[in-house]
Amino acid sequence: DIVMTQSPDSLAVSLGERATINCKSSQSVLYSSNNKNYLTWYQQKPGQPPKLLIYWASTRESGVPDRFSGSASGTDFTLTISSLQAEDVADYYCQQDYSAPRTFGQGTKVEIK
Amino acid sequence: QVQLVQSGAEVKMPGASVKVSCKASGYTFTDYYIHWVRQAPGQGLEWMGRINTYTGGTDYAQKFQGRVTVTRDTSISTSYVELRRLRSDDTAVYYCARDLLNFQSSKSMDVWGQGTTVTVSS
Repeated sequence: DIVMTQSPDSLAVSLGERATINCKSSQSVLYSSNNKNYLTWYQQKPGQPPKLLIYWASTRESGVPDRFSGSASGTDFTLTISSLQAEDVADYYCQQDYSAPRTFGQGTKVEIK
Repeated sequence: QVQLVQSGAEVKMPGASVKVSCKASGYTFTDYYIHWVRQAPGQGLEWMGRINTYTGGTDYAQKFQGRVTVTRDTSISTSYVELRRLRSDDTAVYYCARDLLNFQSSKSMDVWGQGTTVTVSS
């Protein structure tokens, strides 16, 4: 199974400041046929199901604000919120979609400082 | 609109079974996998398994092998997850989510059900 390791477990950031969440996969999730990393980021607010933010490591889902961005370097992935807003307080999860079983990171809680 | 609507909350005794449904609407059911993911109170997301709604083929997480079955009924665009021999640590919110069958086009789980709370308690 591919192990996904997120850091940090929690993060407190001032409004308008940058938040950065890291995720590392235990093996490559790059699909060579289309050169895409099958790495997804979700946002989950209390009492709600997860919401798709970013897929293929860096493609923003329709309707997601452009302050959210994703990047990849080998097996290291980053979700960046460029200017934290109050409505961004949530848990964030990475997940690999490369192979079954699908595996999630343990989650990162983002709060306002 | 595209949506997945799940069945209501369940309370079960230890050792019993539970079956949760997920009804799809607004899209072609057999173009997508249905995944099942659960979340214990205060914990992270845990993938349980998925079904290819076109072929009926399934994949399960090793942790649940032998205790879980995912099925679908294409005539009513509904998937089901059944978990047997319930324990207290199966208390969780159970979610379904869809994902394109075409791997190269897939953008992962883009639509989720609202969740079904399953409580296991004596």
